[in-house]
Amino acid sequence: AQSVTQLGSHVSVSEGALVLLRCNYSSSVPPYLFWYVQYPNQGLQLLLKYTTGATLVKGINGFEAEFKKSETSFHLTKPSAHMSDAAEYFCAVRAGNNRKLIWGLGTSLAVNP
Amino acid sequence: DVKVTQSSRYLVKRTGEKVFLECVQDMDHENMFWYRQDPGLGLRLIYFSYDVKMKEKGDIPEGYSVSREKKERFSLILESASTNQTSMYLCASSFLAGQETQYFGPGTRLLVL
Repeated sequence: AQSVTQLGSHVSVSEGALVLLRCNYSSSVPPYLFWYVQYPNQGLQLLLKYTTGATLVKGINGFEAEFKKSETSFHLTKPSAHMSDAAEYFCAVRAGNNRKLIWGLGTSLAVNP
Repeated sequence: DVKVTQSSRYLVKRTGEKVFLECVQDMDHENMFWYRQDPGLGLRLIYFSYDVKMKEKGDIPEGYSVSREKKERFSLILESASTNQTSMYLCASSFLAGQETQYFGPGTRLLVL
């Protein structure tokens, strides 16, 4: 069965610091991997996704993630945090022909001035 | 831009009432999803639909039903609302389940008294 683990339910960084949000997955077939962001009182929107090809994926708002098959990881990074990055971040995996996405529990990112 | 709209942002209902949550998408997506989001539990899939009049149970279908009479509209029904159904409800749609991006509505925050 597929699963997603997001390490750290809450992460706090200073403005301008590196953002690193961790996501590990398990899958018996090549996965499709997603990062979504949810700003307060809003729905989710796609930040980036990996399906095939280049393992370093760039998304919106300066975020990127690297698919590492050997580590079964898809960590999300941003070189310099901005106050507007404060939000909830969700990692998800779709494996094989499974119609559904398997979601992590989310990581709440706080950015301190 | 893809637009997914939900009928209400906030809803207050009484225990035992029948509740309808409606979702409309304007991109001719085949697939539509209903999730509930609770603190610490992430997103949990209630039901999804991959075609008109077609539906599949998600992970937590108990106490809910759905209706999809038209491609653009997917309704979630709480047959007899209970306090443990107080939650944020999120609707999403996509072209191909799991392979393509899921687009989310803004959510409906339901309070059952």
